[in-house]
Amino acid sequence: GAVVSQHPSWVICKSGTSVKIECRSLDFQATTMFWYRQFPKQSLMLMATSNEGSKATYEQGVEKDKFLINHASLTLSTLTVTSAHPEDSSFYICSAGVPGGANTEAFFGQGTRLTVV
Amino acid sequence: GNSVTQMEGPVTLSEEAFLTINCTYTATGYPSLFWYVQYPGEGLQLLLKATKADDKGSNKGFEATYRKETTSFHLEKGSVQVSDSAVYFCALRGNNAGNMLTFGGGTRLMVKP
Repeated sequence: GAVVSQHPSWVICKSGTSVKIECRSLDFQATTMFWYRQFPKQSLMLMATSNEGSKATYEQGVEKDKFLINHASLTLSTLTVTSAHPEDSSFYICSAGVPGGANTEAFFGQGTRLTVV
Repeated sequence: GNSVTQMEGPVTLSEEAFLTINCTYTATGYPSLFWYVQYPGEGLQLLLKATKADDKGSNKGFEATYRKETTSFHLEKGSVQVSDSAVYFCALRGNNAGNMLTFGGGTRLMVKP
């Protein structure tokens, strides 16, 4: 199957700094990628839809100025957590689908565990 | 809007026991249904899927049947192993949703030797 690679797999940063997470589709082009956040022992919540060449679409309650999304190419989307705080500590996962219609499968990255200290 | 409800965990079973994790959904039209598995410290992996009513998805001994009349997609396995210990997520993708998924809350399965 298609591969989505997410980097880094874990990161520890100081409060107030920014962290960039990359999501790459390795063997296919993805015009749309999705960013999810998972709190401990909870489900995945969609944060935003990343659209190649245009602005991301954010879900209600997600601060677009805090979670900056850039989808500059068909194989790369980045999520930057700006001015991180301890409450931003979470597991972030991206997904992308192989274009081809409603029945295409979504492939997930390995996830990034962010810890803000 | 779309929603997915699955049984809360944790579910603790002995090795070789029968597993059922219930999942029901609310959606308009004809969604596709999925089960994902998340092993400790890893991302999600697709376990199985079904794209239309009465389809049965199966993989690694796990099965789930798309029941439109009961809006359910229960996950079953006849004999679980310790290596099946993980968190299982039921998800749906609605019509015209691209690859955006709506997830259930996840069910943690713990299998003891």
